Amino acid sequence: SNSVKQTGQITVSEGASVTMNCTYTSTGYPTLFWYVEYPSKPLQLLQRETMENSKNFGGGNIKDKNSPIVKYSVQVSDSAVYYCRSLWECSGAGSYQLTFGKGTKLSVIP
Amino acid sequence: DAGVTQSPTHLIKTRGQQVTLRCSPKSGHDTVSWYQQALGQGPQFIFQYYEEEERQRGNFPDRFSGHQFPNYSSELNVNALLLGDSALYLCASSLGRGDQPQHFGDGTRLSIL
Repeated sequence: SNSVKQTGQITVSEGASVTMNCTYTSTGYPTLFWYVEYPSKPLQLLQRETMENSKNFGGGNIKDKNSPIVKYSVQVSDSAVYYCRSLWECSGAGSYQLTFGKGTKLSVIP
Repeated sequence: DAGVTQSPTHLIKTRGQQVTLRCSPKSGHDTVSWYQQALGQGPQFIFQYYEEEERQRGNFPDRFSGHQFPNYSSELNVNALLLGDSALYLCASSLGRGDQPQHFGDGTRLSIL
């Protein structure tokens, strides 16, 4: 079955750049969404990636089964949990599968 | 512009009871999805409602059911509650189904004793 995997936790210093991976296993190419969860805040959409726009974000290519998100010059306020969510079109009209990864907890230290 | 609102914020139930959670979508949205998020885990898709019908369903038992009203608001019902149902229940709304961006509410924290 289709699945999404993310790195569990990343700790970096303020001002650094960080890459968070979203590795998926599937027979096709899903639409991927990145969401961020700040403490005590609802999930917020960061970006949406498809085969058509895959070269526009994060430096990754959705065909490589990994679609990372890159944040440059991170600040302490970027500390949050970053989730990758995939949508796979299934056989059958209008049928699809939605799957979230377990999230990457980013901790930025001053 | 009101975002996605969920009620109640917190709820405590005992095993075997039934619970109803409510969600009002973001203004202009017509599709509502429900997710279950256990502590330290990513959200798991329960089901999605569009045009007052369940259109997609994740791997959840029939104890989980829902409803969508003509004003697009939605309810999630869980029967015969188990300890394992303790989680944060998230509602997300979107304009249309498929690969549309979803907007999330703050969630309802359900605790089963």
